[in-house]
Amino acid sequence: QKEVEQDPGPLSVPEGAIVSLNCTYSNSAFQYFMWYRQYSRKGPELLMYTYSSGNKEDGRFTAQVDKSSKYISLFIRNSQPSDSATYLCAMSPPGYQKVTFGIGTKLQVIP
Amino acid sequence: EAGVAQSPRYKIIEKRQSVAFWCNPISGHATLYWYQQILGQGPKLLIQFQNNGVVDDSQLPKDRFSAERLKGVDSTLKIQPAKLEDSAVYLCASSLTGAPDTQYFGPGTRLTVL
Repeated sequence: QKEVEQDPGPLSVPEGAIVSLNCTYSNSAFQYFMWYRQYSRKGPELLMYTYSSGNKEDGRFTAQVDKSSKYISLFIRNSQPSDSATYLCAMSPPGYQKVTFGIGTKLQVIP
Repeated sequence: EAGVAQSPRYKIIEKRQSVAFWCNPISGHATLYWYQQILGQGPKLLIQFQNNGVVDDSQLPKDRFSAERLKGVDSTLKIQPAKLEDSAVYLCASSLTGAPDTQYFGPGTRLTVL
């Protein structure tokens, strides 16, 4: 079993839709949870970061962590064509240890 | 603030040849990472430096991969000899503090091994 599982998609939605992206994980030691956005032929860029459980909102983006279910989500409201990219979840234990990435979900927002 | 610089951006080599990649981190960033991202997969950490010391190289195939960080600034990653399965994007990232939410990635070097 992989430490981090993520559906690769692709996920195709119309402009303005609410997008839900998810990851599950098996390592209960994970405390840092991150979402990265990666455009084609670019490096990943940090989008959202959550420590331990709870929700975090930043503009159109909301990150949720449910440690009891080992499940994290990223919601994108009012999706835009510029949101078309691959979204990677990433996690790590405390103590600045190695970050483990999911395989990424490819999202396409159609105008 | 200038970002993480990497070169070359693309490289095509034959199997069994050697290749080297270069990374210049963001100024002042003490922590530097090299990741391998195979097509359709997430980045996998190969090696992490804190200044010029190695913090984690547990996933670096040491029989063919080597990395160094000169004077705690620039870094090079070398593969010798290359195998077909080394075809991937090699990403360099840097961090001021080493905290997991503070990594800034470069654009990557796309390696194709024929």
